[in-house]
Amino acid sequence: EVQLVESGGGLAQPGRSLRLSCAASGFSFDDYAMHWVRQAPGKGLEWVSGISWNSGSIGYADSVKGRFTISRDNAKNSLYLQMNSLSAEDTALYYCAKGGGSGSYWHFDYWGQGTLVTVSS
Amino acid sequence: EIVLTQSPGTLSLSPGERATLSCRASQSVSSSYLAWYQQNPGQAPRLLIYGASNRATGIPDRFSGSGSGTNFTLTISRLEPEDFAVYYCQQYGSSPLTFGGGTKVEIK
Repeated sequence: EVQLVESGGGLAQPGRSLRLSCAASGFSFDDYAMHWVRQAPGKGLEWVSGISWNSGSIGYADSVKGRFTISRDNAKNSLYLQMNSLSAEDTALYYCAKGGGSGSYWHFDYWGQGTLVTVSS
Repeated sequence: EIVLTQSPGTLSLSPGERATLSCRASQSVSSSYLAWYQQNPGQAPRLLIYGASNRATGIPDRFSGSGSGTNFTLTISRLEPEDFAVYYCQQYGSSPLTFGGGTKVEIK
């Protein structure tokens, strides 16, 4: 059974940093691209960032480019999102999602339950 | 960036009725890389359709997807109580990957 478990969310002050993690199990992690998707309270879904199976291809939404960094550790079956220079607009539930294939351009076939990030002073 | 516009914003229907949801793209979606997701309150999204018309594993055949280019449709042939939810389309053919704003299917 595929499982994605996010952690690392919480309350952060504007301008500070947080690092999210996603622990994956139930599939061959190093065969698939992985993504972060966020959902602000009461709003729709927004793709944040994605990384290919070997970290060779990485993409970011314009809203986070230069502030967020995605990475993965295939030996630990883990995905990460380093979030710097946080602002109130980053407040959201952050989902980890598994790509349907190894490259960047695949649908998301499994999702975690999300970790909540709140940015407030 | 490809902008996806979903319509209607809200669809009010009764159980057993047919639901037709639309997703229009601002430019052609490469290779029909269009997916549909269902989200119930307090839950993570669930993949329904990928490649515009392929049902994901375990998805009932009352869900079907169609379309190409810039116009896509999700059809639910007969609404079951568990189908009342929010539905999102997503294009994954070009970066940045983008989602539509969602269609809420509510009980009339």
